[in-house]
Amino acid sequence: EIVMTQSPVTLSVSPGERATLSCRASQSVSSNLAWYQQKPGQAPRLLIYGASTRATGIPARFSGSGSGTEFTLTISSLQSEDFAFYYCQQYNNRWTFGQGTKVEIK
Amino acid sequence: EVQLVESGGGLVKPGGSLRLSCAASAFNFNSYTMNWVRQPPGKGLEWVSSISSSSSHIYYADSVKGRFTISRDNAENSLYLQMSSLRAEDTAVYYCAKGGSILTGPASRYFDYWGQGALVTVSS
Repeated sequence: EIVMTQSPVTLSVSPGERATLSCRASQSVSSNLAWYQQKPGQAPRLLIYGASTRATGIPARFSGSGSGTEFTLTISSLQSEDFAFYYCQQYNNRWTFGQGTKVEIK
Repeated sequence: EVQLVESGGGLVKPGGSLRLSCAASAFNFNSYTMNWVRQPPGKGLEWVSSISSSSSHIYYADSVKGRFTISRDNAENSLYLQMSSLRAEDTAVYYCAKGGSILTGPASRYFDYWGQGALVTVSS
């Protein structure tokens, strides 16, 4: 099983600042990596797939990068609605999720 | 707009069974892989099972293999998860999720739409 490790567990950021979230895979997943956003009481929402392609309707302030084992999600200027949990997921070999990063207001 | 609506959740005793359903609409259901993902209270996401468009390929997480059965009815635009020998650690919100593309191969296997989830509680 491919293990996905996200860091940090919690990220405290002020509105308007940049947030950088990391995701590491225990073996290469090529570019088969997705990012999801989840707010309390809601279902996850797809943000990024293919490591760097924004899903339909996702604002340009969300960007993804990386390949192989190291990936990054960047939120260029945090808006109030962006404070949430973020999960990475590999789908190169079955499916596994990272444990999540909570982005909270500083 | 794509809609996925789960039903069938509830309280069940350890060792019991439950069947979840997911009703899909506004897309060609019979063209897409469908998936189940669960989330224990206050914890992260765990992939549970996936089924290809024609049901020819089925996958399970090791944690549910031999106890859960995924199936689909393309004529009814519905996805199912039959759960048996339930344990306390199966307590979770169960989400139905649509595969991202009709293409085959790993690059298409992300999940682009999710239902609102069904809560399954296993407790005596």
